[in-house]
Amino acid sequence: QVQLQESGPGLVKPSQTLSLTCTVSGDSISSGGYYWNWIRQPAGKGLEWIGRIYTTGSTNYNPSLKSRVTISLDTSKNQFSLNLSSVTAADTAVYYCARIDPGRYNWFDPWGQGTLVTVSS
Amino acid sequence: EIVLTQSPATLSLSPGERATLSCRASQSVSSYLAWYQQKPGQAPRLLIYDASNRATGIPARFSGSGSGTDFTLTISSLEPEDFAVYYCQQRSNWVYTFGQGTKLEIK
Repeated sequence: QVQLQESGPGLVKPSQTLSLTCTVSGDSISSGGYYWNWIRQPAGKGLEWIGRIYTTGSTNYNPSLKSRVTISLDTSKNQFSLNLSSVTAADTAVYYCARIDPGRYNWFDPWGQGTLVTVSS
Repeated sequence: EIVLTQSPATLSLSPGERATLSCRASQSVSSYLAWYQQKPGQAPRLLIYDASNRATGIPARFSGSGSGTDFTLTISSLEPEDFAVYYCQQRSNWVYTFGQGTKLEIK
């Protein structure tokens, strides 16, 4: 079964770029027509979808974050990545990666376990 | 952006009782709505998709209903492991949004 695992720095300074990677195991990131997503959750708060990348490399971003977000695929490593620029304390959150399989549920399933990123000097 | 409003914010019930959670959309999402369960320190888990379909492995005590703007998640008889936070989510367009969550706590 497919599994996702987030990785990256747990601490980022204000104004810098947050960079995270999601490693996919149990399936190929470039097959199946999947959407690969990033979602975040500030402590004690709700969930916010950040954006997605399709198997072909096409992307869609949350309009509220679009100017600062880039999501990319690395098929050689079976990974996809998130870059969020010009971060502030408001970007402190647990960041999740998740898959959407239009041929199955077409919803977020499965999810990675999440990784906490703190924005602080 | 479609806004999802969940109610109540907190629901206090005892094991064995029936739980009814509500999710209202600011405009019609047809049946493009899902429910997730999140326990402390864990990622959300898909429970219900397309408003009324249970995901694989989800017990039959969980059921979803509704269409358009009003949706309900029902847990027929609460088990101790059901106490968690529940989120609804829509995908009527490609900007996905979540409700703010309902915390189901033990009374």
